[in-house]
Amino acid sequence: AQTVTQSQPEMSVQEAETVTLSCTYDTSESDYYLFWYKQPPSRQMILVIRQEAYKQQNATENRFSVNFQKAAKSFSLKISDSQLGDAAMYFCAYMTGSNYKLTFGKGTLLTVNP
Amino acid sequence: NAGVTQTPKFQVLKTGQSMTLQCAQDMNHEYMSWYRQDPGMGLRLIHYSVGAGITDQGEVPNGYNVSRSTTEDFPLRLLSAAPSQTSVYFCASSLTGVNIQYFGAGTRLSVL
Repeated sequence: AQTVTQSQPEMSVQEAETVTLSCTYDTSESDYYLFWYKQPPSRQMILVIRQEAYKQQNATENRFSVNFQKAAKSFSLKISDSQLGDAAMYFCAYMTGSNYKLTFGKGTLLTVNP
Repeated sequence: NAGVTQTPKFQVLKTGQSMTLQCAQDMNHEYMSWYRQDPGMGLRLIHYSVGAGITDQGEVPNGYNVSRSTTEDFPLRLLSAAPSQTSVYFCASSLTGVNIQYFGAGTRLSVL
C-alpha cells in the first residue's frame, strides 16, 4: 500500500520569509500524481499545487513551488515571502493513475509569525 | 456555481441511530469520494465513485454505505452509528479521477 509521510507535525516561519515543508512517499508505481492541499481554520480543503510524476520540471504556483525528487520519493513544498494568510494545516497527498485513490499524509501545521 | 455542497454542517447522533450525509456537485464531475478526518490522522478515503452506478471501497469503508444513482449526488449512509464514527466528513469531486479534487466544506459528526 502506498504511504505518505510528513515528518514535521508543526513548523513556524516569520512573515516575509521562506519555509519548506517535507513530504516523502512510498510507491512501486510509475504513473502517479502528487498534491499539496491547504486547510485553514475554516476547514475548507484548498489545492495548493499539483505535480505529475512523468514531468521532470517542478511545479510552481506564484509563491508556492515544489522540489520533486522522484528517485528519492520526496516532494517538498516551498513557500516564499510567507504571509499571515498562509497559516494553515498543509497536507501532502498521492494518487496513482490506475485507481484514483488519494492518500494523504498526516499534515504539517504551519504558523506564520508577524 | 455552488461547487460541492455538503449537508448538514453539524450533526449529533446517538449510538445506533442511522443517518445520511448528503453531497451534491453541479460541475458535472464523474468522480466523487468521501473522506473522514480525525485528529492526527489526516484524511482517509471511505468510498469513491467513478461514475453513476459505480462505487468502490476506500481505506476505511466499514460501517458506511454509498450509492450513486445520479452524476450529481453521492450520499454517505451510516446504518448504525458508533462513537468511533465521530469525525469530520468531507466529500470531494473531480472531472476524472486524476484531476484536481474539489472539496465540500465538511460535516462535523458527533456520535454519543
